[in-house]
Amino acid sequence: NAGVTQTPKFQVLKTGQSMTLQCAQDMNHEYMSWYRQDPGMGLRLIHYSVGAGITDQGEVPNGYNVSRSTTEDFPLRLLSAAPSQTSVYFCASSRKRGGQETQYFGPGTRLLVL
Amino acid sequence: AQTVTQSQPEMSVQEAETVTLSCTYDTSENNYYLFWYKQPPSRQMILVIRQEAYKQQNATENRFSVNFQKAAKSFSLKISDSQLGDTAMYFCAFIPWAGAGSYQLTFGKGTKLSVIP
Repeated sequence: NAGVTQTPKFQVLKTGQSMTLQCAQDMNHEYMSWYRQDPGMGLRLIHYSVGAGITDQGEVPNGYNVSRSTTEDFPLRLLSAAPSQTSVYFCASSRKRGGQETQYFGPGTRLLVL
Repeated sequence: AQTVTQSQPEMSVQEAETVTLSCTYDTSENNYYLFWYKQPPSRQMILVIRQEAYKQQNATENRFSVNFQKAAKSFSLKISDSQLGDTAMYFCAFIPWAGAGSYQLTFGKGTKLSVIP
């Protein structure tokens, strides 16, 4: 199993550009989520999904869209990038929701918005 | 809302010594889970240890153990026989029991641990 994969590893955007951060898992996990990590901060939840076709907002959803058309993929879309979205983005998945399930994290995508 | 506080931004320890990282949290939930995650320079998030709040016994994983004090809402991580590979950021995290309806892992701001040869 590849686990949780994220592409790209690093991206530079100009303000106002759009892009999609890709996340995929091959473990047939129901639950997937996106976090952002800023300097001096822990990870903060952006959006999550408890299954194909079901998504919901986390702590910091503004400026981001998600969809979950398949169990495997959970892309994160930035419609109009802003410098405040400069961050490291992590995707995570677990078999089901809840703390009893181990969450597996991807390697992260570093995004720089100029 | 839950909050997680790590009061030590940076710590250092000599190789082979023992170090304890502190974490406190605030919640109104009675059932929940607590975690310590390690983030080495590669940025990969690695689960170190997990504690279920309903279990009184402290969790251990090889050189890593926790001191879980539910009444005090304290969850410290002890690393014994520190190794150079333990150098990393360590994050404490909290999640309510699944039945509470919230699926969010709440993280502390992290403690940067340096192991000195």
